[in-house]
Amino acid sequence: QQPVQSPQAVILREGEDAVINCSSSKALYSVHWYRQKHGEAPVFLMILLKGGEQKGHEKISASFNEKKQQSSLYLTASQLSYSGTYFCGTGRTGGFKTIFGAGTRLFVKA
Amino acid sequence: DTAVSQTPKYLVTQMGNDKSIKCEQNLGHDTMYWYKQDSKKFLKIMFSYNNKELIINETVPNRFSPKSPDKAHLNLHINSLELGDSAVYFCASSLQGFNTEAFFGQGTRLTVV
Repeated sequence: QQPVQSPQAVILREGEDAVINCSSSKALYSVHWYRQKHGEAPVFLMILLKGGEQKGHEKISASFNEKKQQSSLYLTASQLSYSGTYFCGTGRTGGFKTIFGAGTRLFVKA
Repeated sequence: DTAVSQTPKYLVTQMGNDKSIKCEQNLGHDTMYWYKQDSKKFLKIMFSYNNKELIINETVPNRFSPKSPDKAHLNLHINSLELGDSAVYFCASSLQGFNTEAFFGQGTRLTVV
């Protein structure tokens, strides 16, 4: 049931773009994206609900393809502060839990 | 004001001991969670409570017993600690269920020696 994230890790230079993918074998109602920096708690980025619109703010946006049970997180013109591990979490109808993927480690260098 | 606070932040204990981790949220949320993050950073849900009622118990050993005295608190008691219990435990809360964003506490790093 755990969603699959790809890539597992990515290294970027400041200003480059990245895409992180999340896919599930089960029908999804929601997809969450979180970022966790080393030694800190995960921090919410955005949530996408079935039937909802693509979300985004500033240079981070995400899409949710319900038919394919996939979501993608788009990081544009990456900044050093974007470094961390990105987790997607999936939720199913009627559930009270979010199941997280294994995470994608993103490192942005100057 | 910290939205979701956990205590203690670090916990080092010997095998076989019993320990508790406390969690409090001041966001007025209905749903609270316990997650375990292992050394490979895999974040796995353990329990989910909604309005003090246990909703999800993800096949966690019964040595782990959550308790929610009220909506704002969700504590985790662990009996007979084992080496494999070493991990970072995160408490989180959300307004209601998984459709709303979750706020995480700072985590408790448990080390069993």
